[in-house]
Amino acid sequence: GAGVSQTPSNKVTEKGKYVELRCDPISGHTALYWYRQSLGQGPEFLIYFQGTGAADDSGLPNDRFFAVRPEGSVSTLKIQRTERGDSAVYLCASSLRAGGGRTDTQYFGPGTRLTVL
Amino acid sequence: AQSVSQHNHHVILSEAASLELGCNYSYGGTVNLFWYVQYPGQHLQLLLKYFSGDPLVKGIKGFEAEFIKSKFSFNLRKPSVQWSDTAEYFCAASGNTGKLIFGQGTTLQVKP
Repeated sequence: GAGVSQTPSNKVTEKGKYVELRCDPISGHTALYWYRQSLGQGPEFLIYFQGTGAADDSGLPNDRFFAVRPEGSVSTLKIQRTERGDSAVYLCASSLRAGGGRTDTQYFGPGTRLTVL
Repeated sequence: AQSVSQHNHHVILSEAASLELGCNYSYGGTVNLFWYVQYPGQHLQLLLKYFSGDPLVKGIKGFEAEFIKSKFSFNLRKPSVQWSDTAEYFCAASGNTGKLIFGQGTTLQVKP
């Protein structure tokens, strides 16, 4: 079956603009995670959903960042008033459940590379 | 605070050499440990994971890792590397929510 997909693969925007990044998880996966990876660093947790609700958004850096998952499948990460420091690769992952158990392996998408000029 | 640290940032080996990449974690409560790999141009994929039981975990492509609780370590090993193992390797930890805390990664370059 299809893996996690993310669109767009690349996004270039200007400082101050609004962007939306989309994630399509693996069908049937109830848990969805967003991470951000800056150059030379490991991925950094942003937020995760169990179903439609955001179960933990403690990693969102500030209130310019927001994510939704209205129907429990596709998720959109929204960034308002983008800043140059937001430039990074945004990764999405999904798993069957969010329990962190033996079977709850996270499968990652290819990421969206965001560049803020 | 929860954290994962990887000792080696860049490792260069010749083919057939043995590999050991260090990983230490700081995590309160029950911890699950992972190694992920990212081959050039590809996305992150799971190499192996530890949840409980036998501390020696075997993964794909001949990789293994050993969980040493007293040392808070989860080092990755492979007896003989191949050119195709050239990639970036990430150690990660999670608790009961699945939220992953990653190390900063180790770039492995294998010379043919």
